[in-house]
Amino acid sequence: SQQGEEDPQALSIQEGENATMNCSYKTSINNLQWYRQNSGRGLVHLILIRSNEREKHSGRLRVTLDTSKKSSSLLITASRAADTASYFCATEAYSGNTPLVFGKGTRLSVIA
Amino acid sequence: GAGVSQSPRYKVAKRGQDVALRCDPISGHVSLFWYQQALGQGPEFLTYFQNEAQLDKSGLPSDRFFAERPEGSVSTLKIQRTQQEDSAVYLCASSQQGQGRKLFFGSGTQLSVL
Repeated sequence: SQQGEEDPQALSIQEGENATMNCSYKTSINNLQWYRQNSGRGLVHLILIRSNEREKHSGRLRVTLDTSKKSSSLLITASRAADTASYFCATEAYSGNTPLVFGKGTRLSVIA
Repeated sequence: GAGVSQSPRYKVAKRGQDVALRCDPISGHVSLFWYQQALGQGPEFLTYFQNEAQLDKSGLPSDRFFAERPEGSVSTLKIQRTQQEDSAVYLCASSQQGQGRKLFFGSGTQLSVL
């Protein structure tokens, strides 16, 4: 079963625009991570935000976490055609020996 | 190695055939995970190893699925008597031990059962 639900399922924007993807989850977490997957490839880790953090930045990426609403958002600023990929959120529970649980993903298309 | 390596990259099997998928994790990574990814979906957890110990196999869909990591490094996912519903991409990931770990994924094995 998949805990995270990304919204929207698909997003198409023009190069230079910002892209925002949302993730909702169901259970208490230790941390939430975002991954990117190019077509036909494995997933690549982008950023991790811990449950006691509210916002984190990495280059053009900004992640927020609202544990009261059990939701997170990923913002990609000044998008490029190379950002075209699927983006997944993944949650890790508190117990530590539990696997990351992934959502269904958002397919982002950036049009040049 | 430089990254997680999976082989074969593609596998076509006839229904009823047994298959074995290999994963070579990053050297020194204690944890190893197998995920199954259907087309257009997110990865679904199958099983998890810490060194050679299989700590969680709750995601294996049936007793036709078996995974091993006998020396705590390379892992093999075996599927017996393959069915069409087994067609998917099988992803392997490894990580260092502990919480807050990030996963390093291989490119996956795309299995097609005809």
